Amino acid sequence: GAGVSQTPSNKVTEKGKYVELRCDPISGHTALYWYRQSLGQGPEFLIYFQGTGAADDSGLPNDRFFAVRPEGSVSTLKIQRTERGDSAVYLCASSSQPLGGGALNFGPGTRLLVL
Amino acid sequence: SQQGEEDPQALSIQEGENATMNCSYKTSINNLQWYRQNSGRGLVHLILIRSNEREKHSGRLRVTLDTSKKSSSLLITASRAADTASYFCATTNAGGTSYGKLTFGQGTILTVHP
Repeated sequence: GAGVSQTPSNKVTEKGKYVELRCDPISGHTALYWYRQSLGQGPEFLIYFQGTGAADDSGLPNDRFFAVRPEGSVSTLKIQRTERGDSAVYLCASSSQPLGGGALNFGPGTRLLVL
Repeated sequence: SQQGEEDPQALSIQEGENATMNCSYKTSINNLQWYRQNSGRGLVHLILIRSNEREKHSGRLRVTLDTSKKSSSLLITASRAADTASYFCATTNAGGTSYGKLTFGQGTILTVHP
């Protein structure tokens, strides 16, 4: 079956611009996660959803970052006023465990470069 | 912040040898998971071990968990060049409101030479 997909695969933007990153989870997966990964580092937790609601958004670095999942399937990570330090690979994952905490199925990631 | 810390940071072995990676964590966990990542994009789930389990096997993988020491190890037996990748441990916290939050360590880079 189809796995987790993320679009775009690559995004180059200029400092100060607004970007949206999209994640399509595996159909029926209630839990959805966003992570950010810098070169040579492990994935850094940003936020996870149980259905439409954010169960834990403690990893969002500041109020420039926001994520939504209005219908409990597709999620969008939004970054306002991008900074060079936002450059990273943004990973999305979904899980069949309704409350999360189970095995995650990761997408291929979106590589964001802020110039 | 990172919950788990992997050791070693990098491991280089010959094909056919066994590879052992360790993970230590700080808080009580519900489960611990190991993931593999090739080429810095997309992680693949390998194995999950619950806090009340001590050992688990999957093919050439063997995972142990010692909750008293807050540590886990991943053993890959009879390694192959295709096992070359980064390996990460990740933990979910026991109880609390953030039950499903999965926190990753920094990873071990494994290189298997043919």
